[in-house]
Amino acid sequence: EAGVTQFPSHSVIEKGQTVTLRCDPISGHDNLYWYRRVMGKEIKFLLHFVKESKQDESGMPNNRFLAERTGGTYSTLKVQPAELEDSGVYFCASSQYRGIRETQYFGPGTRLLVL
Amino acid sequence: AQSVTQLGSHVSVSEGALVLLRCNYSSSVPPYLFWYVQYPNQGLQLLLKYTSAATLVKGINGFEAEFKKSETSFHLTKPSAHMSDAAEYFCAVRGGEYGNKLVFGAGTILRVKS
Repeated sequence: EAGVTQFPSHSVIEKGQTVTLRCDPISGHDNLYWYRRVMGKEIKFLLHFVKESKQDESGMPNNRFLAERTGGTYSTLKVQPAELEDSGVYFCASSQYRGIRETQYFGPGTRLLVL
Repeated sequence: AQSVTQLGSHVSVSEGALVLLRCNYSSSVPPYLFWYVQYPNQGLQLLLKYTSAATLVKGINGFEAEFKKSETSFHLTKPSAHMSDAAEYFCAVRGGEYGNKLVFGAGTILRVKS
């Protein structure tokens, strides 16, 4: 069974440009999460989808970030326009159920560098 | 507020020595607790989790952690370090006021010396 996949693995863009990150969860997993680790800081929650609906987006830093999950399958996270402080590693995770005991399975992350 | 503290951003041990990675949480209500590991160029992998059953939790690769409510701790241990254990380890909590999301500590990089 394929794990959580993320694309691209690395992205280098200039300040002001747009970048779109993609996450494909494990097949059958209704719950999809985005997290981010800025250099030297903790991994922080961004948002949570249940199928195509945003369940919790309390961690989204500002309106330059837009997450979508059309059809409840893969998800995209768009940053527009990108700023220097957006650099970091963006992780996606998925789980089959919503319960807090459920394991979240993480992808390898997308390393974003904004110059 | 609920938070997670990992003491020591870097820990170095010799091969064969005990591994001890510390994690303390701050919460009036014991949360669910997790340890994840990230090997170089890979994603986060679950090592083990505490979900209010046995306080001593065994995980993969010989790791275990003990939940101590009185100390609000969930330290990760392994009796004998192997070179392949070199990685970054993250403690995380979930539940209570933070709901379904994971709240992570800052991470501890484990170095294993030969």
